[in-house]
Amino acid sequence: GQSLEQPSEVTAVEGAIVQINCTYQTSGFYGLSWYQQHDGGAPTFLSYNALDGLEETGRFSSFLSRSDSYGYLLLQELQMKDSASYFCARTDSWGKFQFGAGTQVVVTP
Amino acid sequence: NAGVTQTPKFQVLKTGQSMTLQCAQDMNHEYMSWYRQDPGMGLRLIHYSVGAGITDQGEVPNGYNVSRSTTEDFPLRLLSAAPSQTSVYFCASSYSPAENTEAFFGQGTRLTVV
Repeated sequence: GQSLEQPSEVTAVEGAIVQINCTYQTSGFYGLSWYQQHDGGAPTFLSYNALDGLEETGRFSSFLSRSDSYGYLLLQELQMKDSASYFCARTDSWGKFQFGAGTQVVVTP
Repeated sequence: NAGVTQTPKFQVLKTGQSMTLQCAQDMNHEYMSWYRQDPGMGLRLIHYSVGAGITDQGEVPNGYNVSRSTTEDFPLRLLSAAPSQTSVYFCASSYSPAENTEAFFGQGTRLTVV
């Protein structure tokens, strides 16, 4: 089964804020990353958290709580180009890099 | 800077055929991985390597072999292709988790087994 759980789809209007939650298995956990993938393309890196707290990168922010085995990606001021799949990815201390099943974000006008 | 280069981009195989998907990176990354992506399943880890000469299995290793003779190259071999191996395959590389965990992906190989 999946080492990470995230919602399958989120729909929001342009300009809105979307939060994508991710829970993960703790065994050997090192850090949590987020990736964006447009249809037909390769995943691209958005953000990474190894320590508790919030990391902000422009309109995108990522949060991690190690005690809750939980993180989220926050997408602010949504734009049409943000319609894509978003994946949380777990890095473990042995170098293994595993992805969740992905959240399809649909932005409507 | 080429980054991660995967070849071929598209491939059609007949059941039972073998082939090798190539992956090369020029960033001197220690970590390299292979994933397959099927609709609704996200990216599933096939095999990974933490350095030259070291490989290990991921979530779905059956039917695939890998080797890592150099830092730059990490080929994926399909021993006897089956229709269940129809998928999009991605190769990725990164520095060690202790330094920088951003993974860089190749553009993918779309494989169809008939």
